[in-house]
Amino acid sequence: AQTVTQSQPEMSVQEAETVTLSCTYDTSENNYYLFWYKQPPSRQMILVIRQEAYKQQNATENRFSVNFQKAAKSFSLKISDSQLGDTAMYFCAFGGAQKLVFGQGTRLTINP
Amino acid sequence: DAGVTQSPTHLIKTRGQQVTLRCSPKSGHDTVSWYQQALGQGPQFIFQYYEEEERQRGNFPDRFSGHQFPNYSSELNVNALLLGDSALYLCASGWRGPGGTKNIQYFGAGTRLSVL
Repeated sequence: AQTVTQSQPEMSVQEAETVTLSCTYDTSENNYYLFWYKQPPSRQMILVIRQEAYKQQNATENRFSVNFQKAAKSFSLKISDSQLGDTAMYFCAFGGAQKLVFGQGTRLTINP
Repeated sequence: DAGVTQSPTHLIKTRGQQVTLRCSPKSGHDTVSWYQQALGQGPQFIFQYYEEEERQRGNFPDRFSGHQFPNYSSELNVNALLLGDSALYLCASGWRGPGGTKNIQYFGAGTRLSVL
């Protein structure tokens, strides 16, 4: 069974700083996808970034980038130049088209 | 282009009752998945529907059932409600047919179910 672990329940940084959220996972599969989703107080789960396991190049989306270490089964999210609107719960997820397995989440607060 | 829509937004039921939640997928999507998110937890996969059939199921009892209609919309039914069924129920849609990006799921804003 796949498991996803987020070891940081809460994090807090100042606006414009860089923050890194950690995620580790466990699977016996070789081909899979990894995701970071953001859930603001509005409850809508929003896709932040996606990484395909067979691609060695780390995914980037504007201020968001990942550090994907397949051998270590690690998938961290870096947010550069953080903004107040980045305040939300962040979930790491494993899977793809059929089933997503989520971590417990990290509550990120960006302070002015 | 409408995203994933869920109804109702909030629902209050009592123990033992039955509830039906509804989901309309994003335009062009053909799969619907349902997740249960307890307070302070990550979402847990309930099941996925594709071509009007349940294709994969998580570790949930038979009290949880669903349906997918020809227009790809879906319902989640929960019978004999328990206090522990109180949660946010999220619907996600995706695309399994030929072409398109098959490995992304887009979520609705959820239905908050409270069981008293």
